[in-house]
Amino acid sequence: AQSVTQLDSQVPVFEEAPVELRCNYSSSVSVYLFWYVQYPNQGLQLLLKYLSGSTLVKGINGFEAEFNKSQTSFHLRKPSVHISDTAEYFCAVGRSGGGADGLTFGKGTHLIIQP
Amino acid sequence: KAGVTQTPRYLIKTRGQQVTLSCSPISGHRSVSWYQQTPGQGLQFLFEYFSETQRNKGNFPGRFSGRQFSNSRSEMNVSTLELGDSALYLCASSLFGLAGTGELFFGEGSRLTVL
Repeated sequence: AQSVTQLDSQVPVFEEAPVELRCNYSSSVSVYLFWYVQYPNQGLQLLLKYLSGSTLVKGINGFEAEFNKSQTSFHLRKPSVHISDTAEYFCAVGRSGGGADGLTFGKGTHLIIQP
Repeated sequence: KAGVTQTPRYLIKTRGQQVTLSCSPISGHRSVSWYQQTPGQGLQFLFEYFSETQRNKGNFPGRFSGRQFSNSRSEMNVSTLELGDSALYLCASSLFGLAGTGELFFGEGSRLTVL
C-alpha cells in the first residue's frame, strides 16, 4: 500500500515570490508520482507527473517538481507565483508497471497568493 | 475534444434514499475511476472500470456500486444514503488507467448533500 503526506495544509505566499509545496510518500513498490491542481468548484487538473527518467519534471503553468528517491519526496516548486495560482494542490502516488488500485492522494495544500 | 462530463452537478437527498451518478469519459478512453472527496478524508478511491469490468475497489461498503457500459460511460450508485455520504464525487477517465501512464482526466464532480 502507498501513502502520501503533504506537510502543509496551507501556504500563504506573496505574489511574484517563489513557492515550494512539500510532498512525501511511502511505498513498498515502484511508483508513479503526480501533482494535481483543483480550482474552486472544479475537478482536478494534472500539473505534472514523474514516471521514470530525469528526476526534475516540468509541468504546466511554470511549475516543476523534483523526485528524490532517497528522501521519498516529490516537492512542487514555482519560481514566481501569480494570483491565478491560488488553488488546492494535491500530490498523488500510483503503483508503476500496472495495477488498478487507484491513485493515493495527499490531503492537499491550499496555496494562498497575497497581493 | 470534449472533457469528462458528470451529471448531475448538484443534488440533495435524504437519509435512506439512493442515488445514481453518471460519468461520460473522454472519447476513446476505456478506463473510468471514481473518487470521493470530503473535507475530512480528502480524496479516496472508490473503484475503477475498464472495458465494462471492475478492476479494483477501494475500501468502501457494499452500498457503493458502479458499472460501465459498452460505450465506456459509467454510473455509480449509492444505496441507503447516510449523512456521511455527503461529498464531491469525482469521475476520472484515462486511456488505460494505471496500467498505462496513470494520467487521469477529471470531471467537475457531482456534489451530493444528504440531509
